[in-house]
Amino acid sequence: DAGVIQSPRHEVTEMGQEVTLRCKPISGHDYLFWYRQTMMRGLELLIYFNNNVPIDDSGMPEDRFSAKMPNASFSTLKIQPSEPRDSAVYFCASSTGTGNTEAFFGQGTRLTVV
Amino acid sequence: AQSVAQPEDQVNVAEGNPLTVKCTYSVSGNPYLFWYVQYPNRGLQFLLKYITGDNLVKGSYGFEAEFNKSQTSFHLKKPSALVSDSALYFCAVRDPPGYSSASKIIFGSGTRLSIRP
Repeated sequence: DAGVIQSPRHEVTEMGQEVTLRCKPISGHDYLFWYRQTMMRGLELLIYFNNNVPIDDSGMPEDRFSAKMPNASFSTLKIQPSEPRDSAVYFCASSTGTGNTEAFFGQGTRLTVV
Repeated sequence: AQSVAQPEDQVNVAEGNPLTVKCTYSVSGNPYLFWYVQYPNRGLQFLLKYITGDNLVKGSYGFEAEFNKSQTSFHLKKPSALVSDSALYFCAVRDPPGYSSASKIIFGSGTRLSIRP
């Protein structure tokens, strides 16, 4: 397996534009997590899914953020409209759901909003 | 609510010396604890985990961690540090099945480990 795949690796956009980040989890994993990493706030859990269903989105900062998982092999995180303070590295991770298993991370998407 | 704390933002160690990166946790019941490492411009990589059993857990790259239930700690250790160990280290906790937040994975704030030659 190629691991968790995120695209794009880098995204530069103007304030007010819509941004869509993409993630393909490891095949067979039934949990998918979206995290945001910044210097100020560290690694924050935004939302996670189990079997394509959102379980906890309490970490999503505002209504401008939305996430979907239409099938077991694809998830998106959308920001509309984007703001400069959304600039961060966004990570997707997947795991099995037995609790005692580790999560596997993608390489991340570095988002810059100017 | 489950949480982990990493009290040190940075740890500096000379190459060849032992290193310790600290982590304490606060969870309901028996926790599942993890350590991850992040190199520059990379995603997090799994190092080791404690689920149950022996309190001393061995992982990748010669790292080990000691689970201490009475002190609610899970410190990462290595007997002899290498310059290549320099990176950002994260402690994480995951509730076992049966809890309302089961399978959520929460990370600490991270500790930057710097090994000088």
